[in-house]
Amino acid sequence: ETGVTQTPRHLVMGMTNKKSLKCEQHLGHNAMYWYKQSAKKPLELMFVYSLEERVENNSVPSRFSPECPNSSHLFLHLHTLQPEDSALYLCASSQYIDRRDGYTFGSGTRLTVV
Amino acid sequence: EDKVVQSPLSLVVHEGDTVTLNCSYEVTNFRSLLWYKQEKKAPTFLFMLTSSGIEKKSGRLSSILDKKELFSILNITATQTGDSAVYLCAPIYNQGGKLIFGQGTELSVKP
Repeated sequence: ETGVTQTPRHLVMGMTNKKSLKCEQHLGHNAMYWYKQSAKKPLELMFVYSLEERVENNSVPSRFSPECPNSSHLFLHLHTLQPEDSALYLCASSQYIDRRDGYTFGSGTRLTVV
Repeated sequence: EDKVVQSPLSLVVHEGDTVTLNCSYEVTNFRSLLWYKQEKKAPTFLFMLTSSGIEKKSGRLSSILDKKELFSILNITATQTGDSAVYLCAPIYNQGGKLIFGQGTELSVKP
């Protein structure tokens, strides 16, 4: 474990389902991130939270809805997804919002939309 | 448009070989560059490079940055099967800390 924990590890959902991904960090970091990793493509930044406030939203469809109730927890709520949303979703945290110290990544949730 | 290009995209070697992975970037307002190793899922941090020409080493891995020619290399000597992974590079912007990832190099080390 890296200090960033993601659950579930695997998720299969239908296009009409609603599910949530959870990320938890106990590193005392101030910033948390959601990334999407599709096969053979670079990691795509989805959302950035700093001290529970969303500071970046990179043109992500509204069927993805993040929530950051406190600095240790980050959720990604999913509803009416499409098959092309199937990917590995990685959560990351960093001490500083400017990432000067790099990221600590979680192990990811492998999402399959059927 | 800012971009990051890693090469090769995939590489197959045998144990004991030495490999060099390349990362070239075109990033405005560059600050640092990160290298990560991604095995099954979680990318794990390898190096952060900020200064040109200063080699960073960790065991059999080493990396160096050339800010004039806008590239970085990651060397792995005496490769082992446990080095099999995708290696990601990511430049960081100076303002706001925006960070973009390359596509990765998939390294496979055969026994």
